[in-house]
Amino acid sequence: QQKVQQSPESLTVSEGAMASLNCTFSDGTSNNFRWYRQHSAKGLEVLVSIFSDGEKEEGRFTAHLNRANLHVSLHIREPQPSDSAVYLCAVSEQGGSAKLIFGEGTKLTVSS
Amino acid sequence: EAAVTQSPRNKVAVTGGKVTLSCNQTNNHNNMYWYRQDTGHGLRLIHYSYGAGSTEKGDIPDGYKASRPSQENFSLILELATPSQTSVYFCASGEGGRAEQFFGPGTRLTVL
Repeated sequence: QQKVQQSPESLTVSEGAMASLNCTFSDGTSNNFRWYRQHSAKGLEVLVSIFSDGEKEEGRFTAHLNRANLHVSLHIREPQPSDSAVYLCAVSEQGGSAKLIFGEGTKLTVSS
Repeated sequence: EAAVTQSPRNKVAVTGGKVTLSCNQTNNHNNMYWYRQDTGHGLRLIHYSYGAGSTEKGDIPDGYKASRPSQENFSLILELATPSQTSVYFCASGEGGRAEQFFGPGTRLTVL
């Protein structure tokens, strides 16, 4: 089964500096990758979905996928204190269920 | 945007008691999912459904049952709750494939 790992566990950046989060997975045949944001005690908000190698931008959030290297990253441009949250990487299994396999998350703190 | 609601939002149960967590979605999605979130494990899939009357086992189904009586409703049932089932439970809905999954706000369950 697909295994998903995220790094770092926690990250602190200054407001306005680029934040970079990493995610590795074990099965490169998947073609459905998502980054979610979870504010404390709240539900999950999808930020970027990416389905092919390369780059996908959604506002200040950019995902990079390299399936040969089993790696997908998330870059947050000009992060703000309101971006402080847990960021979750998810990989969808092949097949109709589209069930998601999640990483453990990266806790991002943006200091002003 | 899809609306997924969960009830109750918080629940305290006793060991050996029966617990039912409810989920309702109003966007007519075929697929619904139940995940639990624990520190150190991210979100893990418990049960999912392809439509009314269908339930499928996810990755950690032991100790849980699911029920999908209608397109809109999907319940998670703990017949004999144990302290190890203390967690935050999330329901999600989606169309499968590359379609987004929309998450509810979560239910915090404590089993004493």
